[in-house]
Amino acid sequence: DAGVIQSPRHEVTEMGQEVTLRCKPISGHDYLFWYRQTMMRGLELLIYFNNNVPIDDSGMPEDRFSAKMPNASFSTLKIQPSEPRDSAVYFCASRRTAEAFFGQGTRLTVV
Amino acid sequence: KQEVTQIPAALSVPEGENLVLNCSFTDSAIYNLQWFRQDPGKGLTSLLLIQSSQREQTSGRLNASLDKSSGRSTLYIAASQPGDSATYLCAVSPPLVFGKGTRLSVIA
Repeated sequence: DAGVIQSPRHEVTEMGQEVTLRCKPISGHDYLFWYRQTMMRGLELLIYFNNNVPIDDSGMPEDRFSAKMPNASFSTLKIQPSEPRDSAVYFCASRRTAEAFFGQGTRLTVV
Repeated sequence: KQEVTQIPAALSVPEGENLVLNCSFTDSAIYNLQWFRQDPGKGLTSLLLIQSSQREQTSGRLNASLDKSSGRSTLYIAASQPGDSATYLCAVSPPLVFGKGTRLSVIA
C-alpha cells in the first residue's frame, strides 16, 4: 500500500483565495483525521470521520474551514477565504483498528 | 476534553545514554496510546502502539509503558544514537489527541 497520500505537498496562495487540500487514506481504513501543525500550537485535531461521517468537528477553528469525505477513498479540507494566519502544515491520518498512519502533509503559505 | 502533556519539551544527551520521555493525559478512559517520531519537515512515523489492556510494548531499543490509572506513559530509548535525534510525540485515543512533543538531540 502506498500509505496516506496528501496533495499538494506545498501550496502558496494569496489572502482571500480558496484553498483545497486533498487526502487519500489507506484502503480499508475507516477513520480519517485532519490536523494542523504550527510551532506555537503543535498538532491540533481539526476534524475526524468514521465511515465517511464526520464525528467531531469541534477543532475546526472557524466557519472558513470545511471538510468533506464523499467516499472511503477521498477527503478534502477547504479554507475559504484563506488568511495569513492559516499558514501551517496540514496533516491527514487514517486508521482501521488502532494504529494510525500519517501522510507527508501539505505546507500551506498564505501571503 | 482530553489533554496530553509531554515533558521535557527538549532534551539533549550524549550518544550512548539511556533516556526516558514522559507523556501524561487527563482522561484515563483511553483505548490506546501511540508514540510517533517526527523528523524536521517530515511527516509522523509510528513507533509503538500500546492498547489500554497492555502495560508495555517493545521494538528494538525502544520500550513504551502505560499506566492508565495514573494517566502516564513513558518512552524509554536505550543506548541513544545521533540518528535518534527527532521530535517524539505521544497521542491518545479516543480520538487521537497529541501532546506538543519532546525535541531530542543526541550528540556524538
